[in-house]
Amino acid sequence: DTAVSQTPKYLVTQMGNDKSIKCEQNLGHDTMYWYKQDSKKFLKIMFSYNNKELIINETVPNRFSPKSPDKAHLNLHINSLELGDSAVYFCASSRTNYGYTFGSGTRLTVV
Amino acid sequence: GQNIDQPTEMTATEGAIVQINCTYQTSGFNGLFWYQQHAGEAPTFLSYNVLDGLEEKGRFSSFLSRSKGYSYLLLKELQMKDSASYLCALESVDSWGKLQFGAGTQVVVTP
Repeated sequence: DTAVSQTPKYLVTQMGNDKSIKCEQNLGHDTMYWYKQDSKKFLKIMFSYNNKELIINETVPNRFSPKSPDKAHLNLHINSLELGDSAVYFCASSRTNYGYTFGSGTRLTVV
Repeated sequence: GQNIDQPTEMTATEGAIVQINCTYQTSGFNGLFWYQQHAGEAPTFLSYNVLDGLEEKGRFSSFLSRSKGYSYLLLKELQMKDSASYLCALESVDSWGKLQFGAGTQVVVTP
């Protein structure tokens, strides 16, 4: 059973479009995250939710909007996609002091 | 801030030992993580240090010295499958499980 699953794995879309990435975890963790990994392989936090509440919101354009319908799901919606949004987006979940379990990533390419 | 520095790349031969250093400047953190990331895959948890000293887990060991602002990951008896990027990450004290990652060290294992 996949612990943290995100879909789609690959996403190619045109500039200006709106797209969503979905994430689900079956580990019973309370906290979920979205990270962005750019072409230089830097992993940077974007958002974090704890029990459906937004607790971390880094400096991210407001075109990015996370939604957590329940503590097992954290989705990411992106409006008006730009070329610079091309990256790999990782969802993760965690239990305190036990590190993260990452999803397999969504490679977003904006053309 | 929490500037985290790691070497960009290291090369070693199969069966050898490699030590990946991570230095940081921060006023405080909960713990320090090491993750392994193979190309095109998600990061996977390797180790977590809270207290100063060495944590050993099979072929991998991690060391932390808070007073020196320094950690290392030691990989022994290198295998070809150990070729990957190794990420050092600090867990923030002031945000729920937020991890700040270094840029990663690409380890290349040669026959």
